Amino acid sequence: GENVEQHPSTLSVQEGDSAVIKCTYSDSASNYFPWYKQELGKRPQLIIDIRSNVGEKKDQRIAVTLNKTAKHFSLHITETQPEDSAVYFCAARARGSGYSTLTFGKGTMLLVSP
Amino acid sequence: ETGVTQSPTHLIKTRGQQVTLRCSSQSGHNTVSWYQQALGQGPQFIFQYYREEENGRGNFPPRFSGLQFPNYSSELNVNALELDDSALYLCASSFASGASTDTQYFGPGTRLTVL
Repeated sequence: GENVEQHPSTLSVQEGDSAVIKCTYSDSASNYFPWYKQELGKRPQLIIDIRSNVGEKKDQRIAVTLNKTAKHFSLHITETQPEDSAVYFCAARARGSGYSTLTFGKGTMLLVSP
Repeated sequence: ETGVTQSPTHLIKTRGQQVTLRCSSQSGHNTVSWYQQALGQGPQFIFQYYREEENGRGNFPPRFSGLQFPNYSSELNVNALELDDSALYLCASSFASGASTDTQYFGPGTRLTVL
């Protein structure tokens, strides 16, 4: 099955800096890669996703890049703000027989200091 | 916020008991996936329901079972609870067409504590 590795496990930045979180996946058939933000005690919320037919996608301060050959994808947050502090999860859509579901990384705790 | 709801929000059970968790999917969605999220970990796939049938399962024992109803809401049942079952249980709602499942939106979760 699919295996997703995520690094780093913790990332501390100063407000205004950029943050980059990296993930690798194992199943070359995976074709959809969402990123979720989870604040303490809350549900994971989709912040951006990318499909395998594109290499980059941007939404305001957030961007995701995908390298299918190397099987890795990254989340980039620019001009970080204290409210960006949360745990971020990458995921890859794995295909089973007649269904598809998400395999998650272990998460990155992002701390943005004012 | 998504339209996915879960109940109850918190639950405390003792080892050996049984528990039922509930999930209402977002309007227009026909698929519910259940995940277990242990403290400090990413969500782990338990199973998925599509058209009232289980159509995919992760590495969880048979004492984890579920149902999906005609209105696409779903239940997760866990029998013979163990201490390691303590976790946040998340359901995710999506629209599936054949074997392709679109974006998954999570409910707020049920925090289960097994004593």
